[in-house]
This record gives sequence, structure tokens and C-alpha cells, in this order.
Amino acid sequence: GQSLEQPSEVTAVEGAIVQINCTYQTSGFYGLSWYQQHDGGAPTFLSYNALDGLEETGRFSSFLSRSDSYGYLLLQELQMKDSASYFCAVLADRGSTLGRLYFGRGTQLTVWP
Amino acid sequence: EAQVTQNPRYLITVTGKKLTVTCSQNMNHEYMSWYRQDPGLGLRQIYYSMNVEVTDKGDVPEGYKVSRKEKRNFPLILESPSPNQTSLYFCASRQGLAGGPYEQYFGPGTRLTVT
Repeated sequence: GQSLEQPSEVTAVEGAIVQINCTYQTSGFYGLSWYQQHDGGAPTFLSYNALDGLEETGRFSSFLSRSDSYGYLLLQELQMKDSASYFCAVLADRGSTLGRLYFGRGTQLTVWP
Repeated sequence: EAQVTQNPRYLITVTGKKLTVTCSQNMNHEYMSWYRQDPGLGLRQIYYSMNVEVTDKGDVPEGYKVSRKEKRNFPLILESPSPNQTSLYFCASRQGLAGGPYEQYFGPGTRLTVT
């Protein structure tokens, strides 16, 4: 089966840097995604990593190590609006051309002024 | 504008009264799915569909049905809702694996309460 582990909560202050880790166990691994969800809202896509290394998009970066089945989301220069839940999600093909996306339980990030 | 729409956004119903939540996407995506979200449990997949007339069970399919008669629509049907189906439901769509992109688009959510 598929399993993903991420911390349930993280807190930080404005302007700081925070890292949210995700470890996974899966078969047919294709890539690791991150999604952001504000209270009551729909999840929105942040990043996708298929290869080892760091991908940077503005203040957010995402890292993947396939050999360690591990990834993280790095948020820099934190702002109050970054307070949200962050989900890692594994895309696994399991022999299917379209694959399936499996989500972790989410990390609630609280940014304090 | 690329989007996934769901209706209704809010629904309060009684046990046993059949209901349908509609979902539509305008991006010609092959893959569509339904999730339910409950506090502390993340997003759990109910059903998914890889193309018209091709559907399969996700992780929590009991008590739900789906159909995919057209590529753009993927309704979720609760034949006999029960209180344990009170939840926040999301429809989502994306492209297949060939060449990406791998972004999954979510609808705005349907908050369902079954009394």
C-alpha cells in the first residue's frame, strides 16, 4: 500500500524559514507534490518533484530524495497569509497510465506576527 | 478560465434521502476523482475515473456511487446517506502521466451534513 508521514503541526514567526518534511512508502513512485489549503478552501497545487533535488518557485522550494523516500517543502520569508495546511502527495502509477495521487494527512502551519 | 465546479456548495439532508453532487471540469482532463476530507484524516479518495465509462474504487468507496458518461462530468451519488457521510467533499481533475503537467485541480468543495 501507500503511506505518507508528515508532521501534524508546525509554528513559526513572520519572516522565518520553515521546513515541512514528508516521508513515504509506495510502489510505482512517479513523483511528489505539495498542496496548500487555507481554512475552508480548496487545495491548490504548489510544486511537483519527479527527480532528486531542489525545485524553487519564489519563496517556496521543494526537495526530493528518491533513494530516501523523502521530501520537504521549504517556505522562506514567512508571511501571515502562509498560515494554512500543507499536504504532501505521492503520484504513483501502479501500472496505470494515469496514476493515482495519495495524500498525507497534512501539516497545519501557523505563522505568528 | 480553467476550473472545476461543484454543486451544491452546501447541503443539509436527512438520513436515507438520495442525493447527487455534481462535478464538471473544462480542461478536457482524463482523470477525475472524488475526495472526502475529515478533521485529522487528510484527503481520502472515494472514487476515481480514468476516462469515460471507466471508474474505480478509491480508499473509502462504501456508500457512494459515481458515473462518467461524459468526459467533463463526474457526479457523486449517495443512494442512502448516513450521518457518518457528513464531511467536506472535493472533486478534482488532472491530466494523465504522459508528459504532465501533474497539477491536480480541485473544485471549491461541498459541505454535506446528514442528520
